[in-house]
Amino acid sequence: EDQVTQSPEALRLQEGESSSLNCSYTVSGLRGLFWYRQDPGKGPEFLFTLYSAGEEKEKERLKATLTKKESFLHITAPKPEDSATYLCAVQGSYGQNFVFGPGTRLSVLP
Amino acid sequence: DVKVTQSSRYLVKRTGEKVFLECVQDMDHENMFWYRQDPGLGLRLIYFSYDVKMKEKGDIPEGYSVSREKKERFSLILESASTNQTSMYLCASTTPGTGLRETQYFGPGTRLLVL
Repeated sequence: EDQVTQSPEALRLQEGESSSLNCSYTVSGLRGLFWYRQDPGKGPEFLFTLYSAGEEKEKERLKATLTKKESFLHITAPKPEDSATYLCAVQGSYGQNFVFGPGTRLSVLP
Repeated sequence: DVKVTQSSRYLVKRTGEKVFLECVQDMDHENMFWYRQDPGLGLRLIYFSYDVKMKEKGDIPEGYSVSREKKERFSLILESASTNQTSMYLCASTTPGTGLRETQYFGPGTRLLVL
């Protein structure tokens, strides 16, 4: 069974304090690993897709990396507007389903 | 820009009512999904559809049904709403990626309260 865990559950940072969020997964043949940002009361907003170990993607202050067992979302010099819940999901080779992790709730204090 | 829309942002219904949640995507996506999201439980898949009139049960289909008569529209139906169906409902669709590569995009969500 495909599984995704995320750590930490919640993270509080000062503005400018860089950190990383972790997504660990087990999947039967990885088709893709996805990162989303979700603001309270809204639908998840797509950030990145990673397909193979060693791949990296960047967008503004965010950088996602992928190994065979986990992915990291690195946040460099975060700002208060980066505060949100970050969700990780995987899609395995068998079937159409996406399996989501529980998310990391990030708070960036000014 | 990919656009997935949901018919309502907020709904309040009574126990026993039949509830329809509608989702529309304008990008000719083949796959569409319905999830519910609850605190501490994350996103859970209710149903998905990979083509018109085709549907597959997800992890928690009990108490729900779906309808997909047109490619762009995927409806979630609560036949007889119950209080434990109070939740945030999220619709998503996937782009037809190259080979096996897909990306899932979400609508804004419908927050349903069943009294």
